[in-house]
Amino acid sequence: GNSVTQMEGPVTLSEEAFLTINCTYTATGYPSLFWYVQYPGEGLQLLLKATKADDKGSNKGFEATYRKETTSFHLEKGSVQVSDSAVYFCALRGTGGFKTIFGAGTRLFVKA
Amino acid sequence: ETGVTQSPTHLIKTRGQQVTLRCSSQSGHNTVSWYQQALGQGPQFIFQYYREEENGRGNFPPRFSGLQFPNYSSELNVNALELDDSALYLCASSLGLAGGGGNEQFFGPGTRLTVL
Repeated sequence: GNSVTQMEGPVTLSEEAFLTINCTYTATGYPSLFWYVQYPGEGLQLLLKATKADDKGSNKGFEATYRKETTSFHLEKGSVQVSDSAVYFCALRGTGGFKTIFGAGTRLFVKA
Repeated sequence: ETGVTQSPTHLIKTRGQQVTLRCSSQSGHNTVSWYQQALGQGPQFIFQYYREEENGRGNFPPRFSGLQFPNYSSELNVNALELDDSALYLCASSLGLAGGGGNEQFFGPGTRLTVL
């Protein structure tokens, strides 16, 4: 079945450091891929998405590229801020699927 | 335009009891999905409702049931509560079926259920 694997956290970075959170997936066909962010005490917010191979999703300085050859969708940001501290979830929805499958989440701490 | 709202925010129940959680979808959205997020885990899909009909279900037992109303709001009912049902329950709404593409789901803040 479809699944998502993302790097375990927590990830601790200093402000202005470069961020990478790895995400790989298993799915048949061409799923849509997503990154969601969850701030403390809140629900999930869609951060970015990509719906076909080689698409790059971007938002608020975050980027991720849909790589079908490596079945990956790694999240990157060139310079993190303290306000980026949150839990990040990689997710997919299969072709014609009705459910979104989430990874276990990666907690990011950014120190001033 | 109001976002997705859920009630109550927090709830404490004892084992064996029944609980009803409520969700109001974003204005204009006709599809609601429910997810269970255990502590430290990613959300797990419970089921989805489209135009008042269940049209997809995850790996959850029948004691998890739902309803969608003509105004597209929704309820999640859980009978015979177990300790492992303690989790954050998230509701997400979308316009059209959340499948086969990038139809965006908008999540509510969740209901934190504790079963003692």
